[in-house]
Amino acid sequence: DAGVIQSPRHEVTEMGQEVTLRCKPISGHNSLFWYRQTMMRGLELLIYFNNNVPIDDSGMPEDRFSAKMPNASFSTLKIQPSEPRDSAVYFCASSPDRNSPLHFGNGTRLTVT
Amino acid sequence: EDQVTQSPEALRLQEGESSSLNCSYTVSGLRGLFWYRQDPGKGPEFLFTLYSAGEEKEKERLKATLTKKESFLHITAPKPEDSATYLCAVQRRGNTPLVFGKGTRLSVIA
Repeated sequence: DAGVIQSPRHEVTEMGQEVTLRCKPISGHNSLFWYRQTMMRGLELLIYFNNNVPIDDSGMPEDRFSAKMPNASFSTLKIQPSEPRDSAVYFCASSPDRNSPLHFGNGTRLTVT
Repeated sequence: EDQVTQSPEALRLQEGESSSLNCSYTVSGLRGLFWYRQDPGKGPEFLFTLYSAGEEKEKERLKATLTKKESFLHITAPKPEDSATYLCAVQRRGNTPLVFGKGTRLSVIA
């Protein structure tokens, strides 16, 4: 089992550019979560999917953020346009169902200059 | 709104010096309290789930306990490899996502 795979591991971009983060969940897991981690705010839930359907996106900070899950093995989080305050580590996590412990990927460290 | 507060923010221990980390929570209808360990540059790794007051779980040098308002992670005779950030999270009844605390950064010095 390769675990949750995220790419890229690091992303450095300029303000105003589009950023796309990718996630491959563990095979067979029906729930997928996107979290953002900063020193100030800790881990914050952005959005989660169940069976590829977005269930709650109330944590998405603004319309610049969007997430998709076109199939059970792939999800993307897009920021357009990016801003310096979006700099953080973005984690994807999956679980067999919404009540099981989360399995996290190793994150994407995003720096927006 | 669900809230999780962890203390201390950082803790430095000598190898073998036992201590406890605290997680205070406010949640309407707790379904479960989760402990995770996070190493630098990695994602959080699941340790324990506690479901009811009085419950305890153990894994090697770690023991987690739960009351109606807080949870403790006891570390007995820690080793340098126990150095990590320990995160606490709560889940409300109703299949809601986890709400995390900011973590306690533990350093164990040989």
